[in-house]
Amino acid sequence: AQSVAQPEDQVNVAEGNPLTVKCTYSVSGNPYLFWYVQYPNRGLQFLLKYITGDNLVKGSYGFEAEFNKSQTSFHLKKPSALVSDSALYFCAVRGYNTDKLIFGTGTRLQVFP
Amino acid sequence: GAVVSQHPSRVICKSGTSVKIECRSLDFQATTMFWYRQFPKQSLMLMATSNEGSKATYEQGVEKDKFLINHASLTLSTLTVTSAHPEDSSFYICSARATDRVGYTFGSGTRLTVV
Repeated sequence: AQSVAQPEDQVNVAEGNPLTVKCTYSVSGNPYLFWYVQYPNRGLQFLLKYITGDNLVKGSYGFEAEFNKSQTSFHLKKPSALVSDSALYFCAVRGYNTDKLIFGTGTRLQVFP
Repeated sequence: GAVVSQHPSRVICKSGTSVKIECRSLDFQATTMFWYRQFPKQSLMLMATSNEGSKATYEQGVEKDKFLINHASLTLSTLTVTSAHPEDSSFYICSARATDRVGYTFGSGTRLTVV
């Protein structure tokens, strides 16, 4: 069975500082990994995905994520946080032989001015 | 880019009535659509997967007679909450995927309140 863990319910960071939102996964075979962001009462906006290729994936709004197969992790990062980055972030995984996208529990990012 | 339109964004209904939520892919053919339910401050729970022209596949614990899903065309899937009760109040989100794509596009969600 595939699963995703986001160990932090909330991450607080000062504006201008780097941020990391953690994600680990469990899946049979090669994973397809995704990060989405959700603003209040809104759907999910796609940030980036890893399918294959370079382990460092660059996405929207200056975010990037690094796929680490040995640690089964896909942490989301940004070099310099903005107050407008404050939102709920979801990591998701899809196994190679399935269509289902399974989400982590979400991490609330709070960026303070 | 791929766009999914979900309507209505908010709906309030009385207990015992039924509510239909629509999910449309605007610029691509969605061979597979997914319906999620999100409780306050919680993650998205996959309710069902629907493929165009076939019956939906429901996740364990989801009542298929209560949450009717129809995927009659490659651009439209509907979720009907039948005989709604206050405990059905939630945020429902659809997503769609085309056969030739790995990624998923999400609708903007529907806030259902049953009074």
